[in-house]
Amino acid sequence: DAGVIQSPRHEVTEMGQEVTLRCKPISGHNSLFWYRQTMMRGLELLIYFNNNVPIDDSGMPEDRFSAKMPNASFSTLKIQPSEPRDSAVYFCASRIARETQYFGPGTRLLVL
Amino acid sequence: AQTVTQSQPEMSVQEAETVTLSCTYDTSESDYYLFWYKQPPSRQMILVIRQEAYKQQNATENRFSVNFQKAAKSFSLKISDSQLGDAAMYFCAYSPIQGAQKLVFGQGTRLTINP
Repeated sequence: DAGVIQSPRHEVTEMGQEVTLRCKPISGHNSLFWYRQTMMRGLELLIYFNNNVPIDDSGMPEDRFSAKMPNASFSTLKIQPSEPRDSAVYFCASRIARETQYFGPGTRLLVL
Repeated sequence: AQTVTQSQPEMSVQEAETVTLSCTYDTSESDYYLFWYKQPPSRQMILVIRQEAYKQQNATENRFSVNFQKAAKSFSLKISDSQLGDAAMYFCAYSPIQGAQKLVFGQGTRLTINP
């Protein structure tokens, strides 16, 4: 299996621009998670989907962040407009049932 | 709310020696999962080992084993015969069995292997 796929791996953008991060979960997995990793806050969950439906978005920092999962094999995390404090590594993870979460390689985002 | 604490920001060990990384957690649940993830410089999060709280037996994966003390809410990771490739950040994580089952991570321990 290819594992969780994320794109792009690196993104550099300017403040105010829209950023879209993409994730393809492992085939057959029915839960998908978006995490953010920063030095200050460590790893924190942003949003969680189960069977393509957002279940818990309490970790989404503010309205500038939105996430979608139009089908079982694709999810996006969008930041509009982006700000320098959004600079972080964003991870996508997927899981089947109650099994272990498997992480993608992450997207390193830098907002100038 | 559940919390996970790793009290050792950094650890170092000589190659081929054994090292133990500490983790404590707080929860009111009786059933849950505990994990150790490894994050090398590539930033990839790699599962090292997983423990189900209802299992008495400590999980092992080759050179990696855990000491799970449920009453003390302690979950340490032992790495035997340390190798240079073990150098990484190690994160302890908790997940409830019910509900969203989202992972709660500790702050991480940076492990250095000295040749």
